[in-house]
Amino acid sequence: EAAVTQSPRSKVAVTGGKVTLSCHQTNNHDYMYWYRQDTGHGLRLIHYSYVADSTEKGDIPDGYKASRPSQENFSLILELASLSQTAVYFCASTPGNQDTQYFGPGTRLLVL
Amino acid sequence: LAKTTQPPSMEAYEGQEVNVSCSHTNIATSEYIYWYRQVPHQGPQFIIQGYKDYVVNEVASLFISADRKLSTLSLPWVSLRDAAVYYCIVTDKTNAYKVIFGKGTHLHVLP
Repeated sequence: EAAVTQSPRSKVAVTGGKVTLSCHQTNNHDYMYWYRQDTGHGLRLIHYSYVADSTEKGDIPDGYKASRPSQENFSLILELASLSQTAVYFCASTPGNQDTQYFGPGTRLLVL
Repeated sequence: LAKTTQPPSMEAYEGQEVNVSCSHTNIATSEYIYWYRQVPHQGPQFIIQGYKDYVVNEVASLFISADRKLSTLSLPWVSLRDAAVYYCIVTDKTNAYKVIFGKGTHLHVLP
């Protein structure tokens, strides 16, 4: 069974503070993704990566950075958290050229 | 990338068969149809995928119209655990990062 874990599961941050969300996968997948989900809406792609030490911008990258230090780990960084970044963040992974995504349990971020 | 249209919500009683429709009128020949579902406080989970005709697995079945502009996810004998948001996604296999999740269909299951 594919496994994607995220930490923390929930976090409260202050406006202007730095937030780092972590994702770890044991699937040996090349691709990893970060999405955000706002209440009542679908998922929107923030950043993704298809190889370690390389990241790509998704559909809504502004205000976010990503880091892929190894195949297993993918982080999402909010350098200056803002109220509008309050959301649930999901990490996912996929094998090379397939797009059946395996999602983590999500991180609930509240920015005050 | 083909845009998809689904009903925003549906309601069914436990034990009923549920059919969730998805319209993708601009689907390209290279694109496949995927269905995911998301229960509260969890990430989306893959259900089934198809290209044409009819696909079935242990969880659901998927019917795709001859012109591939409409697909229907069929869930037999739904239970309360099937209450979730169901997403229909159309994507090209060579562009995994272009998976787009819309608002989906919220399935309510009544006891």
